[in-house]
Amino acid sequence: DVKVTQSSRYLVKRTGEKVFLECVQDMDHENMFWYRQDPGLGLRLIYFSYDVKMKEKGDIPEGYSVSREKKERFSLILESASTNQTSMYLCASSLRGGWNTEAFFGQGTRLTVV
Amino acid sequence: DQQVKQNSPSLSVQEGRISILNCDYTNSMFDYFLWYKKYPAEGPTFLISISSIKDKNEDGRFTVFLNKSAKHLSLHIVPSQPGDSAVYFCAASHPAAGNKLTFGGGTRVLVKP
Repeated sequence: DVKVTQSSRYLVKRTGEKVFLECVQDMDHENMFWYRQDPGLGLRLIYFSYDVKMKEKGDIPEGYSVSREKKERFSLILESASTNQTSMYLCASSLRGGWNTEAFFGQGTRLTVV
Repeated sequence: DQQVKQNSPSLSVQEGRISILNCDYTNSMFDYFLWYKKYPAEGPTFLISISSIKDKNEDGRFTVFLNKSAKHLSLHIVPSQPGDSAVYFCAASHPAAGNKLTFGGGTRVLVKP
């Protein structure tokens, strides 16, 4: 069974803290993604990766960085957390190859920055 | 500028009736479309998809219709059940974008018993 696991369901962090969100997939997928979900805005892509040590900016990369040292793991880093980064963060993975493929999502991390 | 739009933020329907969710897109390069369902505090789960070479795809109670000329797709749920109450996201992709999905803002569906 396909599985994408995010390390935390809920996180509360203080403004200015460095925050790490971890994601692991067990499907041997090449592609991994970080999205954030905000009411009325849907899911917006922060960063994605097509391969180990490879990353590309999505639509809203400002204030974030990522790391992919191993194929199964994709980390999202908030360098200095701010209150406008309070959101639901969703990790996803998919097979490379055709464009016509679904992405599988983790359960999400609800991050609150106070 | 949102390339995928779901103009109805919410929808309320009686159990057993049809739910129709709409989605519009602006990028004519999109040629693969997906619907995801999301419950609170969970990640989205894939529901159904359609390629641009088709105008209809059916899977049980769920049917997706695509009108390429209008850049419009819709999801029909028949009959609607209380367990269908969730947020539904429309998403699109195209070959040049690899496997990157562009999502709409979502429609919250409430099915009343």
